[in-house]
Amino acid sequence: EAQVTQNPRYLITVTGKKLTVTCSQNMNHEYMSWYRQDPGLGLRQIYYSMNVEVTDKGDVPEGYKVSRKEKRNFPLILESPSPNQTSLYFCASRDRGRNTEAFFGQGTRLTVV
Amino acid sequence: SQQGEEDPQALSIQEGENATMNCSYKTSINNLQWYRQNSGRGLVHLILIRSNEREKHSGRLRVTLDTSKKSSSLLITASRAADTASYFCATDGNQFYFGTGTSLTVIP
Repeated sequence: EAQVTQNPRYLITVTGKKLTVTCSQNMNHEYMSWYRQDPGLGLRQIYYSMNVEVTDKGDVPEGYKVSRKEKRNFPLILESPSPNQTSLYFCASRDRGRNTEAFFGQGTRLTVV
Repeated sequence: SQQGEEDPQALSIQEGENATMNCSYKTSINNLQWYRQNSGRGLVHLILIRSNEREKHSGRLRVTLDTSKKSSSLLITASRAADTASYFCATDGNQFYFGTGTSLTVIP
């Protein structure tokens, strides 16, 4: 089954404790991205990757890092989480080229206290 | 921000009625897509309309696109309680941007 898998689904952590949210897709998609979703703000792109070893900042990259060492994986790293990073995070992937749909993971609800 | 804007932010209708949501955007696009999100879950793709298309249908969904006005609408006909969800438009140009969403409630 074609899918994007995020882990964990829920995470409560303390300020400053490094964490990683994993994302993996099994569709051989070149393009992967991370979004955060906050009430009233919709989905805002954090980082995206057009292919292996190619990553770029989205609209809200501050406080986040990503890496793309393999095509299927695109982890999101919070080196020093802060309470304003409490949010619902989504990973998505899509095939290269025009007119392709995005596939989303089920989301990671992060709370930073 | 290059996000789209959906209108209305929230919509409540009776089962069987039609629901219309609108999306306005700012940039030139290759296509515009609509997604559905059940509460707190991942987004699911509904329909894609290309920039050279004006209208597209899929089951009970009808999407229109007016590139001169940079706007799109999603019509859900004969709504059901199971259609209760948030609906987002996404513009696909140089980047992929989502709107702020319309929360639809269908009352049985």
